[in-house]
Amino acid sequence: AQSVAQPEDQVNVAEGNPLTVKCTYSVSGNPYLFWYVQYPNRGLQFLLKYITGDNLVKGSYGFEAEFNKSQTSFHLKKPSALVSDSALYFCAVRDPQGGGNKLTFGTGTQLKVEL
Amino acid sequence: ETGVTQTPRHLVMGMTNKKSLKCEQHLGHNAMYWYKQSAKKPLELMFVYSLEERVENNSVPSRFSPECPNSSHLFLHLHTLQPEDSALYLCASSQGWATGTDTQYFGPGTRLTVL
Repeated sequence: AQSVAQPEDQVNVAEGNPLTVKCTYSVSGNPYLFWYVQYPNRGLQFLLKYITGDNLVKGSYGFEAEFNKSQTSFHLKKPSALVSDSALYFCAVRDPQGGGNKLTFGTGTQLKVEL
Repeated sequence: ETGVTQTPRHLVMGMTNKKSLKCEQHLGHNAMYWYKQSAKKPLELMFVYSLEERVENNSVPSRFSPECPNSSHLFLHLHTLQPEDSALYLCASSQGWATGTDTQYFGPGTRLTVL
């Protein structure tokens, strides 16, 4: 079975500082990993994904994530946070050994960027 | 978000009502999904259609009835709902289902309140 954990319900960071939103996963094989962002009263917006290849993945709005197989992690990062980055962030995992395109989502991390 | 649209955006219904949620994707995708998003819980996958055939049904109560008349449209028919069914219902689509690598793109959701 596949699972994903986001250990922090909320992350606070000052504007201009680097931000990290943590994600760890559990799958039986090599995972497919995704990050999504949700703004209030909106659907989820795709940020980036890791399927294979380079462990550092670059995505939308200056976000990036690093796949770390030994630590089973896929943390989301941004070098310099903006107030407009404040939103709810979801990590998701797909076990390639399972069938279909079924994602398992974490419970989400609320990011608050303050001036 | 304009690639996947959902109507209505808000819906209030009594437990004896019958209503339907509509989703339309303008991305030329072949797979469509219904998710339920409740506060403090991970997204719950409800149904998946691939090429208009239902390929996933995650033990959803029969008071929720999906319909996929073509690859661009997806409906969720609701009847005799319970107050605990109040949630944000999200529709998503992806290019395919079988490979597991395709990104899912979400609509803005329908906020459902059951009185």
